[in-house]
Amino acid sequence: ILNVEQSPQSLHVQEGDSTNFTCSFPSSNFYALHWYRWETAKSPEALFVMTLNGDEKKKGRISATLNTKEGYSYLYIKGSQPEDSATYLCAFHSGYALNFGKGTSLLVTP
Amino acid sequence: KAGVTQTPRYLIKTRGQQVTLSCSPISGHRSVSWYQQTPGQGLQFLFEYFSETQRNKGNFPGRFSGRQFSNSRSEMNVSTLELGDSALYLCASKASGGEETQYFGPGTRLLVL
Repeated sequence: ILNVEQSPQSLHVQEGDSTNFTCSFPSSNFYALHWYRWETAKSPEALFVMTLNGDEKKKGRISATLNTKEGYSYLYIKGSQPEDSATYLCAFHSGYALNFGKGTSLLVTP
Repeated sequence: KAGVTQTPRYLIKTRGQQVTLSCSPISGHRSVSWYQQTPGQGLQFLFEYFSETQRNKGNFPGRFSGRQFSNSRSEMNVSTLELGDSALYLCASKASGGEETQYFGPGTRLLVL
């Protein structure tokens, strides 16, 4: 089992705040890093699949960066909205299977 | 395109029973993976099927098994249920065996009494 750590465990911000979370993963045997957004009572929704060191991806107000040499990825949300409230999961793929972190639970209040 | 569907959505069983969960992937997807989530834990990988063959397997006891049919639909079976098997079981599909996005179903919530 490969250790994937996410921090913080939970986060509460006000509408309009920008925020970021961290995903740490083993720096060896890197294949890909996935980010998912999981709202309560819904299916996890894929945000990004990142494969190259230095990758930066963006989807609307959400962006992510990847550093495979040091084993971390950041997810940024600019101008958080209440609808961004969800658990954000990262998953490290070593070429065998996806290893998920426990997620960062984000609550955005108006 | 219809998304990944899982049946049933909720299930209550008693210890010692066995259960079968079903997953229908997105049309055209040949890979189906299964995950377990228990309270306080991240998603744990159970196994992956690709073109009717189990390709990868996680660290779960032999009571957990699965199969995939020619239409890519997959079933997961848990025999001799234990209280600790109470969890949300998710399946995810992707088009091929490569590194691309997996699409998750809504999950089956299993409660073992």
